[in-house]
Amino acid sequence: NAGVTQTPKFQVLKTGQSMTLQCAQDMNHEYMSWYRQDPGMGLRLIHYSVGAGITDQGEVPNGYNVSRSTTEDFPLRLLSAAPSQTSVYFCASSRTGLSGNTIYFGEGSWLTVV
Amino acid sequence: ELKVEQNPLFLSMQEGKNYTIYCNYSTTSDRLYWYRQDPGKSLESLFVLLSNGAVKQEGRLMASLDTKARLSTLHITAAVHDLSATYFCAVDDIGPAGGTSYGKLTFGQGTILTVHP
Repeated sequence: NAGVTQTPKFQVLKTGQSMTLQCAQDMNHEYMSWYRQDPGMGLRLIHYSVGAGITDQGEVPNGYNVSRSTTEDFPLRLLSAAPSQTSVYFCASSRTGLSGNTIYFGEGSWLTVV
Repeated sequence: ELKVEQNPLFLSMQEGKNYTIYCNYSTTSDRLYWYRQDPGKSLESLFVLLSNGAVKQEGRLMASLDTKARLSTLHITAAVHDLSATYFCAVDDIGPAGGTSYGKLTFGQGTILTVHP
């Protein structure tokens, strides 16, 4: 069982370039989300999805796009990379749970924008 | 806007000692998570606290939740070097008395714990 898989693990981009961080889960979870982690700030929510075709913004959405065409995949697109987007990105997934649910995180993608 | 604040942000402990990490939050949520993160690694789920008064224990770690005070604590008993890591609390803003969680978390800043011999 792979869980939540993110690719690539490491990436260096030049300012202005675009790229897509891939996220896939094999647990049939409805909910998926993207966070970024910066030193001293914990993780912050970028975008999230409650199901295929449904996405919404989180706390820090500017400069990022998402789409969810399938339950399994939730890619994060950087439209025009900026140095401020240098960060570690985590994808997460979970399923509905009125009695609580475990949120599974991917291994992370380290992005440097120069 | 939901705010989550942890303290202390840095904690240096001697092996064998006890200490508590505090997590204050600004909403009426009754769902709180604790995670551990080792350097360069992902987040490892430690506890999910689902209601007022919830207490969970695993090994030397015990977490509790007081929704009235909007406070969660992570208590470390008889610390050992292997507990050295960064600990995060995170709040799921679903409001009081339950509701559907969409996995949208607001995290605290993290507490960097170092346990010395």
